[in-house]
Amino acid sequence: GQQLNQSPQSMFIQEGEDVSMNCTSSSIFNTWLWYKQDPGEGPVLLIALYKAGELTSNGRLTAQFGITRKDSFLNISASIPSDVGIYFCAGQRDTDKLIFGTGTRLQVFP
Amino acid sequence: NAGVTQTPKFRVLKTGQSMTLLCAQDMNHEYMYWYRQDPGMGLRLIHYSVGEGTTAKGEVPDGYNVSRLKKQNFLLGLESAAPSQTSVYFCASGVDREQNYGYTFGSGTRLTVV
Repeated sequence: GQQLNQSPQSMFIQEGEDVSMNCTSSSIFNTWLWYKQDPGEGPVLLIALYKAGELTSNGRLTAQFGITRKDSFLNISASIPSDVGIYFCAGQRDTDKLIFGTGTRLQVFP
Repeated sequence: NAGVTQTPKFRVLKTGQSMTLLCAQDMNHEYMYWYRQDPGMGLRLIHYSVGEGTTAKGEVPDGYNVSRLKKQNFLLGLESAAPSQTSVYFCASGVDREQNYGYTFGSGTRLTVV
C-alpha cells in the first residue's frame, strides 16, 4: 500500500528555533491533514487543508497545501519543549480512507 | 465525553493464541478504523467500517478479522497470533468528509506476541 514520504525522519532542535517539515506523494490528494502524536498516546489532529495553495495556521503552527496537490508543509515557530512528539501528515483522495506518512520525530532541547 | 476508548491497553500473547481488541466511540461517528503502528512505518490501515454492519479491508488485513455489530463498537480479532503482529494498534473514528474532516484516535493497544 502507498505511504507518504515525510522528511526529515527526525529533528533535534533547540527551544525557540523554528521547525519545517514536509510530506510528498507521487499521487494527487484532495485533502491534507497534519497530526501530532505524544508518547504513549494516539495522534491528534492539528490542521486540516482542503484546497490547493491553502495556508492555514493554528497558533504557532502553519501548514500549506501544495499547489501541485502532491505535497504539504508544516512549520512550527518558536518551538517549546511540549512540541516534542511525532508529526504525521495524512492525505485523502475520493475514498473514505486516510493514507499516513511515515512521521517526523521532533526533539526539543531547552 | 470519552471520545474513542480502546481496551486493553497492553497485552502479551503467545504465538497461536487468539484475542479481540475492543474499540468504543461515543461521538455517533459512522466511520471507524483500525491501524497498526510500527517503527519507521507510520500508520497502516488494517480494516475499516463505513457504518454499522459493514467492514472493508485496508492495506494490511491478513491475519485480522473485524466486526461492527453496533455503531459505537468496532472489534479487531486475531485468530492465531504471530510475532509479526507485535505492534501498537490504534482505533479511530470519523465523520463524513463533507463535515469537519479528521479522525479521532484512541490511545492505543500495545500488543506483544512471543
